[in-house]
Amino acid sequence: GQNIDQPTEMTATEGAIVQINCTYQTSGFNGLFWYQQHAGEAPTFLSYNVLDGLEEKGRFSSFLSRSKGYSYLLLKELQMKDSASYLCAVRGSYGQNFVFGPGTRLSVLP
Amino acid sequence: DTAVSQTPKYLVTQMGNDKSIKCEQNLGHDTMYWYKQDSKKFLKIMFSYNNKELIINETVPNRFSPKSPDKAHLNLHINSLELGDSAVYFCASSWSSDTQYFGPGTRLTVL
Repeated sequence: GQNIDQPTEMTATEGAIVQINCTYQTSGFNGLFWYQQHAGEAPTFLSYNVLDGLEEKGRFSSFLSRSKGYSYLLLKELQMKDSASYLCAVRGSYGQNFVFGPGTRLSVLP
Repeated sequence: DTAVSQTPKYLVTQMGNDKSIKCEQNLGHDTMYWYKQDSKKFLKIMFSYNNKELIINETVPNRFSPKSPDKAHLNLHINSLELGDSAVYFCASSWSSDTQYFGPGTRLTVL
């Protein structure tokens, strides 16, 4: 079966650092994606991991441990505009099959 | 210069009607998708097409029928609409199984 877990909601303060976790149990694995989705808008791509380790992209970093079925998205120097839902998605082993997690709604407070 | 576009943006209709949603991408991608996002914001894949051929067809009622006239278009036709079909439908495209780019979504409300 396919199961992806994320915390439902998180709150953080402007300028702080926040870590959003994602755990997965899927029948196959061929990469993990993080997307950002503002209310009423489409998801937009943030980062991608297929090998273990940390990928850094400006204020955003994503980490993957395949043996633990675990990833996190790290957001630094939080800004108000970072208030959004963050979706973790696993690509299955047979190509175009993607399973999305329930999303974590992040609220950034002044 | 819109990358992935969908029409209409909003669709309000009565139960039992048939409706279509259109999607077009100008990114030159070979794979297109339809997703449903329900009121709990769960994004679930419905269909995936690669080079106009159906690759993935998740457990979706056969009232939903995708059609891909060419690699740049993937339309979704829904027959006999039900209340539970109310959701936001997103089209997306990618090069093979790479990063997906999503359209703006179509908010469907069935009354």
